[in-house]
Amino acid sequence: GAVVSQHPSWVICKSGTSVKIECRSLDFQATTMFWYRQFPKQSLMLMATSNEGSKATYEQGVEKDKFLINHASLTLSTLTVTSAHPEDSSFYICSAGDRGLRDTQYFGPGTRLTVL
Amino acid sequence: AQSVTQLDSQVPVFEEAPVELRCNYSSSVSVYLFWYVQYPNQGLQLLLKYLSGSTLVKGINGFEAEFNKSQTSFHLRKPSVHISDTAEYFCAVSEGFGNEKLTFGTGTRLTIIP
Repeated sequence: GAVVSQHPSWVICKSGTSVKIECRSLDFQATTMFWYRQFPKQSLMLMATSNEGSKATYEQGVEKDKFLINHASLTLSTLTVTSAHPEDSSFYICSAGDRGLRDTQYFGPGTRLTVL
Repeated sequence: AQSVTQLDSQVPVFEEAPVELRCNYSSSVSVYLFWYVQYPNQGLQLLLKYLSGSTLVKGINGFEAEFNKSQTSFHLRKPSVHISDTAEYFCAVSEGFGNEKLTFGTGTRLTIIP
C-alpha cells in the first residue's frame, strides 16, 4: 500500500524557535497533501490543504503566517511552525492524496511537537 | 457544510464478542465515507471506505460497515473482537469528486477486555 513518512517523529524546542516538519509520499505521487493537528484525546482538525506548486489553502482560524506550508514537489510537503509557543504543542499529522486512487488519503505516522 | 457524529466516546467490549461503533453524518451533497483506526502514538490507518455501489463494505482486520442513506449512518461492525483491536476509531466524510477534504468525527475508543 501507499506509504507516507514524517520527519521528525517527535521534537522538543524552546519557545520562540521555529520547527520544520517534513511529509513525504514514498511510493506514489501526491498532488494534494493535508496537514492536521490533533490534541490529546481529540479528533483531527484540518489545518490546511496544499497542492503541488501552488499556495496552501488554510482553514478558518489557522494563522498562515505562523504555520508555513510548502509543497515543492509531488512527494514532499513541509510544515514550519514559526516562533513556536507552548500552546502550539500538539500532534501534527500529514496525509497525501494519491493521484491514481482519488478520494483516498494516506496518513503519515505523525509528529509530536513539544514547545517548552 | 458536512459533519460527522460519533456518539460513543468509549466502548468496552469483551474479547471475542461482537462490536458496533456508530457513525452518523450530515451533508447537503453525496458523500464518501471512511473509517480509520489509530493505534497509540501512530498515524491513521484506513480500515474501509464507501465511495459507491454495494452499501456493505468490507475492510481490513475483519471489519465491515454498512452505508444507510436514509438514516445517514455508516456504522462499523466486527463479529468477534481481539485484544489487538484496542485503538481509537475515527469516522470521516468527504464530498469527493475532487474535493478530498476530510471531516472527522470525535473518535471512539474501543477497549477490549480479556
